[in-house]
Amino acid sequence: QSALTQPASVSGSPGQSITISCTGTSSDVGGYNYVSWYQQHPGKAPKLMIYEVSDRPSGVSNRFSGSKSGNTASLTISGLQAEDEADYYCSSYTGGSTLVVFGGGTKLTVL
Amino acid sequence: QVQLVQSGAEVKKPGASVTVSCKASGYTFTSYDINWVRQATGQGPEWMGWMNPNSGNTGYPQKFQGRVTMTRNTSISTAYLELSSLRSEDTAVYYCARSSYGDYQKLDYWAQGTLVTVSS
Repeated sequence: QSALTQPASVSGSPGQSITISCTGTSSDVGGYNYVSWYQQHPGKAPKLMIYEVSDRPSGVSNRFSGSKSGNTASLTISGLQAEDEADYYCSSYTGGSTLVVFGGGTKLTVL
Repeated sequence: QVQLVQSGAEVKKPGASVTVSCKASGYTFTSYDINWVRQATGQGPEWMGWMNPNSGNTGYPQKFQGRVTMTRNTSISTAYLELSSLRSEDTAVYYCARSSYGDYQKLDYWAQGTLVTVSS
């Protein structure tokens, strides 16, 4: 059982926007501005898409954006494209010895 | 370009140990932490700890303390993960990933992964 809770699946049509939520506690998501989002295509390694809640690494499309409110972080993908179909995982700093926790993942289907 | 390349798949019996290597290129190996993350089939990733290749300092979640050892050979820019007392629940793809010092939640480059299967 993952520490952070994500919906199992979301879907959208090309050109639409979708939002994926990531719910934690005040000990992780709510306590720090250190939430990241990763994209993973089947059989591939995860790819960093968002870090520190809303920052994008160089080379990541500005169609990807992140935000946070209280204990819930969100990833929004605008202008959906077929290549966005993948699994998405959130992670958060949590302190203690664990330091980093991940969500269980959300499968995005582009209809 | 930054690249991390891991060793190949392993099949181990319960109780055995496994060592996975991670060779870095395209950047100064000792200037970034190496993290290890594993992912069982159909599950979310699980962070296993970090290592500073410059100092050799490491940090492991309590869950893995006593079973995980992270080491490095700076002369060949390679990090190693050893996991001992293997059990079936350790079957997963193991990844190494780079982060800036102490920035464990920002894993900016990942290797291709190594499948470790634990089966009698």
